[in-house]
Amino acid sequence: AQTVTQSQPEMSVQEAETVTLSCTYDTSESDYYLFWYKQPPSRQMILVIRQEAYKQQNATENRFSVNFQKAAKSFSLKISDSQLGDAAMYFCACVGAGSYQLTFGKGTKLSVIP
Amino acid sequence: DTAVSQTPKYLVTQMGNDKSIKCEQNLGHDTMYWYKQDSKKFLKIMFSYNNKELIINETVPNRFSPKSPDKAHLNLHINSLELGDSAVYFCASSQGAGRWEKLFFGSGTQLSVL
Repeated sequence: AQTVTQSQPEMSVQEAETVTLSCTYDTSESDYYLFWYKQPPSRQMILVIRQEAYKQQNATENRFSVNFQKAAKSFSLKISDSQLGDAAMYFCACVGAGSYQLTFGKGTKLSVIP
Repeated sequence: DTAVSQTPKYLVTQMGNDKSIKCEQNLGHDTMYWYKQDSKKFLKIMFSYNNKELIINETVPNRFSPKSPDKAHLNLHINSLELGDSAVYFCASSQGAGRWEKLFFGSGTQLSVL
């Protein structure tokens, strides 16, 4: 089983600035995956970025990148050049490679200030 | 072409009624899930089926009964609805364990119990 903690219930960022959302996790699995999902007001769950724990290189997707610190069990999301469309709930999630149970954190609500 | 579709999108009903939410995926995945998102946006897994067999059954009242007639469908039936059942219910699918590319979500069903 996994636990995922997002310690920032709400964050805000100025348009075009950079923001980092925090996530820590705990798992007994040696091989696991980490995700960031975005949920805009439309309610749709959208995958932002995915990290395989056995890969040391941090995943990046355009303006989105992660800082994966495996020893510290930390998986933060950095959003560069923030846009109004980035305003959403962001959920960190973790799953063991052999598991069927993807566990989510409680989410961080990101506001983007024009 | 919607990958994971669930119906209805909105469901308003009285306490004590019985209702069903349907979910279908056309991705050829062998694992399907039901997640509940409460008013605080916390996403919690309820059930998971792999090849029509129940593999995850979290602490959910037995008024909730999932039914998987085949790999592409996972329906959720709720008996004797209570006020606390009001939430958004998400169906999702993945290609089993070990190949965690992503979890594909439906667009959610907002259930309101009056």
